[in-house]
Amino acid sequence: SQQGEEDPQALSIQEGENATMNCSYKTSINNLQWYRQNSGRGLVHLILIRSNEREKHSGRLRVTLDTSKKSSSLLITASRAADTASYFCATDGKDRGSTLGRLYFGRGTQLTVWP
Amino acid sequence: KAGVTQTPRYLIKTRGQQVTLSCSPISGHRSVSWYQQTPGQGLQFLFEYFSETQRNKGNFPGRFSGRQFSNSRSEMNVSTLELGDSALYLCASSLAWSVYGYTFGSGTRLTVV
Repeated sequence: SQQGEEDPQALSIQEGENATMNCSYKTSINNLQWYRQNSGRGLVHLILIRSNEREKHSGRLRVTLDTSKKSSSLLITASRAADTASYFCATDGKDRGSTLGRLYFGRGTQLTVWP
Repeated sequence: KAGVTQTPRYLIKTRGQQVTLSCSPISGHRSVSWYQQTPGQGLQFLFEYFSETQRNKGNFPGRFSGRQFSNSRSEMNVSTLELGDSALYLCASSLAWSVYGYTFGSGTRLTVV
């Protein structure tokens, strides 16, 4: 089964508003990553947060990680129409048998930002 | 620098045929992973190669295979294609597993008819 689960499945907002997406995962991790995917295209790496970090910023992105609750959130501030995409969290599944080179993805949140 | 290049971008095959997809990683990246993405199953891990060795494999049938060459370029092969193999196939490269994040290619859209 998938390691991560994003919430909500879909999010629709107006330009300028903030968008918050949540991710829950099941096992211990070394790090958690967020990716963006525009329709039918490849994934773009947004940010990586290590298990010993609680918060990380990159431009308009803010990621938090709570390892005690096995959850993470991605905040996009002042959203733009160009932010319209699917957003995925991915973990490396520290406890799993062999984690080399493998990411476990959630089903993603489809974000739509209306002009 | 050049990104991860996947060829071809689109492919239409008939059931029972075989297909080979190619992935050229970012220069210097030695880890290459492959994923299958479908609306029903989401992103599923196929396998990962590092320095020409397969280090990890997902739960796919033996019809799915791959390899990596000395220049880190990778190929994946699917034999005896089934309709359910229709998907977006993504490859990703990294300097070292998981530590720096992965750079994905644009994918190969495979349609089996």
